[in-house]
Amino acid sequence: KAGVTQTPRYLIKTRGQQVTLSCSPISGHRSVSWYQQTPGQGLQFLFEYFSETQRNKGNFPGRFSGRQFSNSRSEMNVSTLELGDSALYLCASSYGTSGSQETQYFGPGTRLLVL
Amino acid sequence: DAKTTQPTSMDCAEGRAANLPCNHSTISGNEYVYWYRQIHSQGPQYIIHGLKNNETNEMASLIITEDRKSSTLILPHATLRDTAVYYCIVRNTGNQFYFGTGTSLTVIP
Repeated sequence: KAGVTQTPRYLIKTRGQQVTLSCSPISGHRSVSWYQQTPGQGLQFLFEYFSETQRNKGNFPGRFSGRQFSNSRSEMNVSTLELGDSALYLCASSYGTSGSQETQYFGPGTRLLVL
Repeated sequence: DAKTTQPTSMDCAEGRAANLPCNHSTISGNEYVYWYRQIHSQGPQYIIHGLKNNETNEMASLIITEDRKSSTLILPHATLRDTAVYYCIVRNTGNQFYFGTGTSLTVIP
């Protein structure tokens, strides 16, 4: 079974621009979660999508948004980029139906640099 | 989610067992303990998880104390490729993980 894939792997943007990141989950997985990882804050949960609906949300400003398509692929968008948005963005997928006993599998991440 | 406490860093000799401790004293009955590791700048890799019984798979063993307030991840024969940051996560019924700062394990030749 193919793993979680994320595109692009690397991205350079300038302040004020917007960016869209893509995540394709493992086949059969319907839940996609997004995380931001920075040296100062560590790994932080952004949001989770399940069956095209946002099911959980972390404590991030509205500039961070996402969506999920009927094939479970998900996109994350960050508008009006700030320098502090430079980070590794990770997505993780799971079946989404078994709560806390369900393993999430992470993709390789997208490294975003904002100049 | 219950908070976890892990040592910031540990060293282990190659070929020896690496024992990584984790305290989760506020864990409640339905919360699972998960372990992931992250090799520099890669996505976290799932290792093992458990509720109250000890667990073993091809990568590691997980020992959970009877009161469930702490656990230990055991890598039986550490190799240089096991050098990574190891995260202990206690997870409730929500489908999200809260990662702490983890333990940076260095395997020494």
